[in-house]
Amino acid sequence: AQRVTQPEKLLSVFKGAPVELKCNYSYSGSPELFWYVQYSRQRLQLLLRHISRESIKGFTADLNKGETSFHLKKPFAQEEDSAMYYCALPFISNFGNEKLTFGTGTRLTIIP
Amino acid sequence: EPEVTQTPSHQVTQMGQEVILRCVPISNHLYFYWYRQILGQKVEFLVSFYNNEISEKSEIFDDQFSVERPDGSNFTLKIRSTKLEDSAMYFCASNRVNEKLFFGSGTQLSVL
Repeated sequence: AQRVTQPEKLLSVFKGAPVELKCNYSYSGSPELFWYVQYSRQRLQLLLRHISRESIKGFTADLNKGETSFHLKKPFAQEEDSAMYYCALPFISNFGNEKLTFGTGTRLTIIP
Repeated sequence: EPEVTQTPSHQVTQMGQEVILRCVPISNHLYFYWYRQILGQKVEFLVSFYNNEISEKSEIFDDQFSVERPDGSNFTLKIRSTKLEDSAMYFCASNRVNEKLFFGSGTQLSVL
C-alpha cells in the first residue's frame, strides 16, 4: 500500500533562514511525487512535481530513492511562504484518473 | 488561470439530513474527483468520475455517498443521511489526462 509521511505538523523558521519540509513515502515501484501548497484561505495548488525537476518560488525537492524521501527545501525563507504544505503520491488508474495519497501536512510559519 | 468552483463554501445540516455539495469543474477537463479533509487530519481521496461513471472509489465512499454529473457543467456529491463524522472540508478537483489536478476552494460541511 502506498503511504506518505510528513513527520512535522508544525515548523517555524525565521525569515531568511533555510527551510526543509520532510516527506517520506512507501511505494513499491518507481514513484512520482508532488508537493501541494495551501495558502491561507486559498485552494490547494500544485507547487512542484519531482518529474519536472524545476524550482518554483525558490523551492526544490529531490527524490531520494535510497531514503524514500522527497524533502522540500528553500535556501532563504520569505514571509509569503507561510502556508500548509502537503506531500502527495499519485496513482494513475487504468482509466487515466489520478488518485492522490496525501501526507498529513506541515504548517510552515515564517517568523519576520 | 481557470478555476474549479464549489458551492456553498459552508454548509450546516442536521444529522440524518441529505446534503448535496456542488462543483463546477474546468470545462475541458475529463476527470472529476472528490476529496475530503476532516479537521486536523489528512486530505483523503473519496471518488473519481470519468465518462459518466465512477472510475474509482475509496472505502470511505460507502452507500451513503453518491456522485452525479447532472448536466454538462456540474458535478455533485450527495450524502444521503449525514452523520456527525461526515463533518469535514470537501474538495472537488478536475484534470485532463496526465495533467495536474485543479482543486476547488472547498465546502466546509458541519453536521450538528
